[in-house]
Amino acid sequence: NAGVTQTPKFQVLKTGQSMTLQCAQDMNHNSMYWYRQDPGMGLRLIYYSASEGTTDKGEVPNGYNVSRLNKREFSLRLESAAPSQTSVYFCASSQDRSSAQYFGPGTRLTVL
Amino acid sequence: AQSVTQLGSHVSVSEGALVLLRCNYSSSVPPYLFWYVQYPNQGLQLLLKYTSAATLVKGINGFEAEFKKSETSFHLTKPSAHMSDAAEYFCAVSPVFFGNEKLTFGTGTRLTIIP
Repeated sequence: NAGVTQTPKFQVLKTGQSMTLQCAQDMNHNSMYWYRQDPGMGLRLIYYSASEGTTDKGEVPNGYNVSRLNKREFSLRLESAAPSQTSVYFCASSQDRSSAQYFGPGTRLTVL
Repeated sequence: AQSVTQLGSHVSVSEGALVLLRCNYSSSVPPYLFWYVQYPNQGLQLLLKYTSAATLVKGINGFEAEFKKSETSFHLTKPSAHMSDAAEYFCAVSPVFFGNEKLTFGTGTRLTIIP
């Protein structure tokens, strides 16, 4: 039981490049989330998916797109990376809103 | 809108001393409340959660938190700090009723343990 896995662990991009962050969970959870973590700002929700086939914007969605590929997988895409998107990105999943969220190990992204 | 405030971005305690990390929330109705811990270069791990059952919640690693509605607080405590408790701690709030809001995190408190 791996929990929540994320790939890659580290990535360096040049401004304007695109990339997709992958996330998968094996706990049969309904909800999945993407956060970014920046120093002094805690975690901010980018997008979430309450169930397979649905996605909604969070607090900071600009510059990102998501796909809930199936119940297990939830990807985050940066179409044209900007230095302001340098951050650590965490994927999480939960059974429902009253349940705890389980986090992946994170992806450290640097945009030059 | 819901929000959560963690008082003190850095807290230092001596090994064996009491740990107290403060969290206050703002919500129109008592929400669900969570404490998470993050060790260096790792993701967040759930310490404990309050979901309207007992007001004193016990979590992992000897931590506990008490929900106080009158003070809108959910402070995290541990009677005796251990070196392994050095980490960053996040309080988070989630609304009970259906809506557009999801889990909102505080800005975190970095706990340092002094040998």
